[in-house]
Amino acid sequence: KQEVTQIPAALSVPEGENLVLNCSFTDSAIYNLQWFRQDPGKGLTSLLLIQSSQREQTSGRLNASLDKSSGRSTLYIAASQPGDSATYLCAVRAADKLIFGTGTRLQVFP
Amino acid sequence: DTAVSQTPKYLVTQMGNDKSIKCEQNLGHDTMYWYKQDSKKFLKIMFSYNNKELIINETVPNRFSPKSPDKAHLNLHINSLELGDSAVYFCASSNWTSGRETQYFGPGTRLLVL
Repeated sequence: KQEVTQIPAALSVPEGENLVLNCSFTDSAIYNLQWFRQDPGKGLTSLLLIQSSQREQTSGRLNASLDKSSGRSTLYIAASQPGDSATYLCAVRAADKLIFGTGTRLQVFP
Repeated sequence: DTAVSQTPKYLVTQMGNDKSIKCEQNLGHDTMYWYKQDSKKFLKIMFSYNNKELIINETVPNRFSPKSPDKAHLNLHINSLELGDSAVYFCASSNWTSGRETQYFGPGTRLLVL
């Protein structure tokens, strides 16, 4: 059974710091991995999607890597801003469904 | 123009009641989902429909019954509500392009059962 875990559960950093969010999954048989952002009281917004054959994806200040064999992904946020404050969820696609991680709640203070 | 919309946004009700949550997407997607996010923020799939047909049912109690009148709508009806049903319910739709699926989420419906 696929399990997805995210570390840390919460993170509070000053503005400008580079930071790394971690995601691990127990079964490497995945089609892809996605990182989402969830703002309080809002739905989810897809940030990056990495296919199982890819190693990383970049979008602006965000970079996501995937090491399928070790069951890990990281989301790197460069030069963090207060507007980055949100909960970040990773999700792996196994068969016909997404399985979500537990989330990392990020707070970036000015 | 909201791509995936849900109504109501908030729902407060008593135990034992029956309630429905509606979801509509105007993206022309074939696949729609219902997810439940509990108090610990853990998001878990409940159902998936493709072209009005159920393709995933994740051992959800049969008090929960999804209904898809057409591929743009996937409603969730809950009978005999229990305290443990309190959660945020998200609807999503998805499409496949070049072998890649992208899911679009609604804003969520916050259900509180008293």
